[in-house]
Amino acid sequence: DQQVKQNSPSLSVQEGRISILNCDYTNSMFDYFLWYKKYPAEGPTFLISISSIKDKNEDGRFTVFLNKSAKHLSLHIVPSQPGDSAVYFCAARLISSGSARQLTFGSGTQLTVLP
Amino acid sequence: DAMVIQNPRYQVTQFGKPVTLSCSQTLNHNVMYWYQQKSSQAPKLLFHYYDKDFNNEADTPDNFQSRRPNTSFCFLDIRSPGLGDAAMYLCATSRLSSGANVLTFGAGSRLTVL
Repeated sequence: DQQVKQNSPSLSVQEGRISILNCDYTNSMFDYFLWYKKYPAEGPTFLISISSIKDKNEDGRFTVFLNKSAKHLSLHIVPSQPGDSAVYFCAARLISSGSARQLTFGSGTQLTVLP
Repeated sequence: DAMVIQNPRYQVTQFGKPVTLSCSQTLNHNVMYWYQQKSSQAPKLLFHYYDKDFNNEADTPDNFQSRRPNTSFCFLDIRSPGLGDAAMYLCATSRLSSGANVLTFGAGSRLTVL
């Protein structure tokens, strides 16, 4: 049962335009959401996060929006640059009594920014 | 630079021949994780260590074992690799806090089983 879903395996966007990557989740007990970026032959690197008590978090060209009622979040990249071409993973942290607060990942979206 | 290093980056083994993958970190993080990622799928958590406490995911096969001899090192042992175990294995670390629990990943070890 996949609790975090990224339904678009790929997305192509023209340089300078907006990239919108989407993520849906099913578990209402997630309390933090994170986005990771992964280049080929490298490990995922942290990009931006949002707490479930917020609906927007912005960091430079990257903004994450959270719609709790729809159990949906999105990552906006404006303006998109060729160097943004990578696989983007959505991840969610589960509120739990356990100490490690591990993350559940989506399957990723390959973003290609065309020059 | 503080980082997470995985070795080897690429491992080829034969069906049934044991394999050990290693992970080291200079971040002094107290939690270390092992994820398995197959092509076009989400990274799947196999187990994690919180300090010396080992936590196995319920659906992790017995074929997978882990050791953490000290804070800096963690090993993934695959006792009898099958064709279905071919994947990228990602090690990650974190320092627990009240925030988002950001994980720092290594570059991964890609396992091929012949």
